[in-house]
Amino acid sequence: DAGITQSPRHKVTETGTPVTLRCHQTENHRYMYWYRQDPGHGLRLIHYSYGVKDTDKGEVSDGYSVSRSKTEDFLLTLESATSSQTSVYFCAISDTGGADEQYFGPGTRLTVT
Amino acid sequence: GNSVTQMEGPVTLSEEAFLTINCTYTATGYPSLFWYVQYPGEGLQLLLKATKADDKGSNKGFEATYRKETTSFHLEKGSVQVSDSAVYFCALRGSARQLTFGSGTQLTVLP
Repeated sequence: DAGITQSPRHKVTETGTPVTLRCHQTENHRYMYWYRQDPGHGLRLIHYSYGVKDTDKGEVSDGYSVSRSKTEDFLLTLESATSSQTSVYFCAISDTGGADEQYFGPGTRLTVT
Repeated sequence: GNSVTQMEGPVTLSEEAFLTINCTYTATGYPSLFWYVQYPGEGLQLLLKATKADDKGSNKGFEATYRKETTSFHLEKGSVQVSDSAVYFCALRGSARQLTFGSGTQLTVLP
């Protein structure tokens, strides 16, 4: 299994508070991704990174920011959490942006009350 | 833009039944196509892939053929097991090198 961990695995927070989710990899893969999974929508890309300090927006980036200060860590921040951001968040990594598959972490279940 | 449409679930089958989960896509150019599987409480795992037209991906008894003429990538298995119960996602990667997922199909296999 690819070495990907996510923390925390579960979090409950209140509307308006900032939240940071962490993805950590031990594979030295260049690309890292954050997705959210919601019923009826499959997985939707929030942000991705193609190297240290190199990030770009995905399909549903509003209300989220990311940072990647070193290869192994990719942080997702909800600047001011809203109930619509209640979801399961998955991190993924890949060695290249080409034909290689993406490897997914175990997910973080976030509930915003 | 790119999109993936999967058959609505949930799908419930008896053990040893034949499985088909339909997937069609819309994309420009020549996307690569994937099936991912998600077991309860886990992240997604790649099940199989195909990178060009007429390629057949296969793994663990599952198969899917990249049909450009019908823009389809249907997942099939001849005899399902209880352990195949999971959510299955069809996905494509287009020129932007980002994955676009379908909404997922929940499969339950009964003994």
